[in-house]
Amino acid sequence: AQSVTQLGSHVSVSEGALVLLRCNYSSSVPPYLFWYVQYPNQGLQLLLKYTSAATLVKGINGFEAEFKKSETSFHLTKPSAHMSDAAEYFCAVSDPPFNFGNEKLTFGTGTRLTIIP
Amino acid sequence: GAVVSQHPSRVICKSGTSVKIECRSLDFQATTMFWYRQFPKQSLMLMATSNEGSKATYEQGVEKDKFLINHASLTLSTLTVTSAHPEDSSFYICSARSLSGGRPEAFFGQGTRLTVV
Repeated sequence: AQSVTQLGSHVSVSEGALVLLRCNYSSSVPPYLFWYVQYPNQGLQLLLKYTSAATLVKGINGFEAEFKKSETSFHLTKPSAHMSDAAEYFCAVSDPPFNFGNEKLTFGTGTRLTIIP
Repeated sequence: GAVVSQHPSRVICKSGTSVKIECRSLDFQATTMFWYRQFPKQSLMLMATSNEGSKATYEQGVEKDKFLINHASLTLSTLTVTSAHPEDSSFYICSARSLSGGRPEAFFGQGTRLTVV
């Protein structure tokens, strides 16, 4: 069975500082991995996805994530935090094949990112 | 991206009553919609998958007679929590899959906070 672990339910960084949100997965087959962001009172929005192509994936809003098979990780980073990045972030995993609409997404518990002015 | 509207965003109901949550795809046709449930500080858990015009497929452990799902049109799916009890209090999120452009992609609603008193 697949699982996702997000280390740190709350992360605070100063504006302009590096953002690092951690995600480790467990899957019996090479997975597809996703990061979603949820702003207050809004739906989940896809930030980026890894689907067995390049291991370094670039997403929207300056975020990127690197798939590291040896570490079973897919950490999300952004070089310089902006106030607008404050939100809840979810890591998710799915077995391939995946057509970006597969219902068998397994989500992590989420990490709330706070930006300190 | 496409917009999925979920209504209501918050609802409080008395034990024993039923509550209906709507999920609408506003600018695309959704052949498949998904319903998730999220407990505090826990992952989103898939409850069921609904396809337009057919019965929903429920995940193991989800009571289909308690959580009634109707997907009567390509733009609307409803989740009815029947005879609600306090343990049904949770955050419910819908997701709709768009097939436009030949690339299925899932879009999420903003969620519904249900409190049963």
